[in-house]
Amino acid sequence: SQQGEEDPQALSIQEGENATMNCSYKTSINNLQWYRQNSGRGLVHLILIRSNEREKHSGRLRVTLDTSKKSSSLLITASRAADTASYFCATDEDDMRFGAGTRLTVKP
Amino acid sequence: SQTIHQWPATLVQPVGSPLSLECTVEGTSNPNLYWYRQAAGRGLQLLFYSVGIGQISSEVPQNLSASRPQDRQFILSSKKLLLSDSGFYLCAWSVGYGNTEAFFGQGTRLTVV
Repeated sequence: SQQGEEDPQALSIQEGENATMNCSYKTSINNLQWYRQNSGRGLVHLILIRSNEREKHSGRLRVTLDTSKKSSSLLITASRAADTASYFCATDEDDMRFGAGTRLTVKP
Repeated sequence: SQTIHQWPATLVQPVGSPLSLECTVEGTSNPNLYWYRQAAGRGLQLLFYSVGIGQISSEVPQNLSASRPQDRQFILSSKKLLLSDSGFYLCAWSVGYGNTEAFFGQGTRLTVV
């Protein structure tokens, strides 16, 4: 079974607000990845963070990794309606298995 | 550059009919290939993965089968569809397991009626 589990299951915010999603996992990892899925589409890779990294940025995305707590967070700053999607995490220990994801809704 | 093609985009099939979904990858060699199913509003369930031609690993025993007749071709099949086979099917490829990003096709929406 997969390790990465996202929470919350669903998140609804207003445009311009920040969105934070969390991912917890169970064993030691080498890296953790975040993906986005727009409704009815395939997943798109967002960012990969390695176990020796604590924070990584990509545009409006900020990912943190706390290996002591076995958790990661994805922060989307200044959210836009186009950020509405499901977000998934996966670790290298997951062997390409994904959790249920977080469904983010950004209201205009 | 690498691309992944998955077709058809939508499919409506009667119960008991056969199924064949095809996925092809371009621009890379010896990729790991994956088939997933996603129920509405749910996460992805890994169905099959393949690390090479003719090598198929099944995650969940069910009414479906997969084949990899060529290095960059992955086929999902069923001899007789069930209503419960309805869902959104995604094909993906990666180099290795989880060490690099995975690339997904656009999916096939299958409705079994």
